[in-house]
Amino acid sequence: NAGVTQTPKFQVLKTGQSMTLQCAQDMNHEYMSWYRQDPGMGLRLIHYSVGAGITDQGEVPNGYNVSRSTTEDFPLRLLSAAPSQTSVYFCASSYSGTSGAHNEQFFGPGTRLTVL
Amino acid sequence: DAKTTQPNSMESNEEEPVHLPCNHSTISGTDYIHWYRQLPSQGPEYVIHGLTSNVNNRMASLAIAEDRKSSTLILHRATLRDAAVYYCILRVSSNDYKLSFGAGTTVTVRA
Repeated sequence: NAGVTQTPKFQVLKTGQSMTLQCAQDMNHEYMSWYRQDPGMGLRLIHYSVGAGITDQGEVPNGYNVSRSTTEDFPLRLLSAAPSQTSVYFCASSYSGTSGAHNEQFFGPGTRLTVL
Repeated sequence: DAKTTQPNSMESNEEEPVHLPCNHSTISGTDYIHWYRQLPSQGPEYVIHGLTSNVNNRMASLAIAEDRKSSTLILHRATLRDAAVYYCILRVSSNDYKLSFGAGTTVTVRA
């Protein structure tokens, strides 16, 4: 299994540009989520999904959109990039059976985004 | 929500045990204690979790105080690869998948 994959690894945007960060997992996990991590800080939840067709907002959703049309993919869209969105973005997934949220969450390698 | 308190940093020598404390004095009876770690320039990875009893796995051990107001993650023989930020996280419900990361403890391992 490839696990959780994210593309691109690095991205530089200009203020106002839009883009989509890709996240895919091949473990048939129902739960997927997006976090951002600013320098020297812990991760903060942006959006999450408990299954295809179901998404919800996390702690810092403003400026981001998500959709979940398949179990495997959970793209994160930046509508109009701002310098405050400069961060490292991590995608995560988890199986929801048996132990539910106490199952291990698997994280991708991250996308480093710079907005000028 | 119950909060956790961890030291900012800890140092250890290679091959020696590391004991990482976590205080959670406002923990409720149904809160699970989860630990994740983040190696440099990588995403977090799961380490271990428990409710009341001590837990062991291939990576570490989790010792939970009898009153559950604190816990300790134990790395039995630290290696250079264990240098990372370790996060102690309380999970309230099996339906709540959100992970609340604090600042964590930065562990440095000396060769």
